[in-house]
Formats: sequence, C-alpha cells, structure tokens
Amino acid sequence: GNSVTQMEGPVTLSEEAFLTINCTYTATGYPSLFWYVQYPGEGLQLLLKATKADDKGSNKGFEATYRKETTSFHLEKGSVQVSDSAVYFCALLGPGGFKTIFGAGTRLFVKA
Amino acid sequence: SQTIHQWPATLVQPVGSPLSLECTVEGTSNPNLYWYRQAAGRGLQLLFYSVGIGQISSEVPQNLSASRPQDRQFILSSKKLLLSDSGFYLCAWVPGLAGGPVPYEQYFGPGTRLTVT
Repeated sequence: GNSVTQMEGPVTLSEEAFLTINCTYTATGYPSLFWYVQYPGEGLQLLLKATKADDKGSNKGFEATYRKETTSFHLEKGSVQVSDSAVYFCALLGPGGFKTIFGAGTRLFVKA
Repeated sequence: SQTIHQWPATLVQPVGSPLSLECTVEGTSNPNLYWYRQAAGRGLQLLFYSVGIGQISSEVPQNLSASRPQDRQFILSSKKLLLSDSGFYLCAWVPGLAGGPVPYEQYFGPGTRLTVT
C-alpha cells in the first residue's frame, strides 16, 4: 500500500539556518505530494504541493521537488525564522484516491 | 469562500460519558468529509470519511462512530468515552470532485481538544 516516511524530530535550528526535512514515499502509479504545516493549537494547512515528477512546489520561502527516481519530496528553506516553528507533515494522494496518506510529522523549533 | 467550523474548541469529559463533536462546512456542496485524531505528539490517524449524506467509511474499529445527517455536517460520537480517546480531533473537507483526475488538498478545521479524565 501507499506510505510516507519522514525524518523524526524534533529538529532544532537557530534563526537564519538552512532547513531540510526529508520525506520519502512508496506508492503505485504517480501520486500527488504535499507538505502541510500545523502551528501550535491549530489545524493543518497546506504549505505546498507537486502533482507530477520534477515539479517544484514553493510557498513562503519553502520549496520541495518531486523526485520520482528517488521517491522523495524533501522540504527545504534557506533561512528559517522563529515563526516557522511548527509541525510539518509530508503527505501523498494516490491517483483517483479519496484518502490522503500522512507522514508522522516533524516538529521544528527555531531559536532566536 | 469556503470555511470549516468545529465545536466545541475544547472539552473535558469523564470516562464513560457520551461524546458529540460537530463539524460544518460552508460555501461548498457535496464535499468529502474526514475525521482525524491526533494523540499528543503523534501523527494523524484517519477515523472516518464520508463521500455523501449517510455514507460513512470507518478506518479504525473502536468505540467511536460518525454520522452525516446533512450534506455539510459531519458528527463524531461515542456512547462511552475511554481514557485513550483523549486527543486533538480534526475535521477536514475536500471538494466533492475528489477521486477524479484533479488532486485536491485537504482543508482542515481548527480542531477540538478532548481530554478524558
């Protein structure tokens, strides 16, 4: 079945540091890939997405590229801010699917 | 524009008491609806989803149930709460065209934090 594996946290960085959160997936066919973010006490919200191989999703300085050959969708940001502290979820939706498969989430702490 | 509401925002209930959480969506028709639970420091667990009125699919057998009495209303219930039911409950919706060629993202509500004592 489809699955998503993302790096365990927490990840602690200083402000302006470079961020990478690794995500790999297992799926049949060509899924769509997403990154969601959850700020403390809130629901999840979409951060970015990519729907086909080699697509790059980007938003708020975050980027992720859909790599079919390595089945990966790693999240990156060049310079994190304290306000980026949150839990990040990598997710997958199979072609024609109703259910999104979420990774376990990675908590990010950014120190001033 | 579309909005999703959940209530209550927080709830403290004793073990063995009943539960009713409500989720409503505005500004769209025939959405797919989902209930998730998030235990403290953990990921999301899909509990139920619905593709139409009265149509409920259960993902995890447990003492919870779901109902969809109206197109944009999704209710999560329990007759007797357990300590293990504590967690953050999230409702989400997707346009009703989901399952077709367009991959839609999920739109989440603000959540209900349930503490069973």
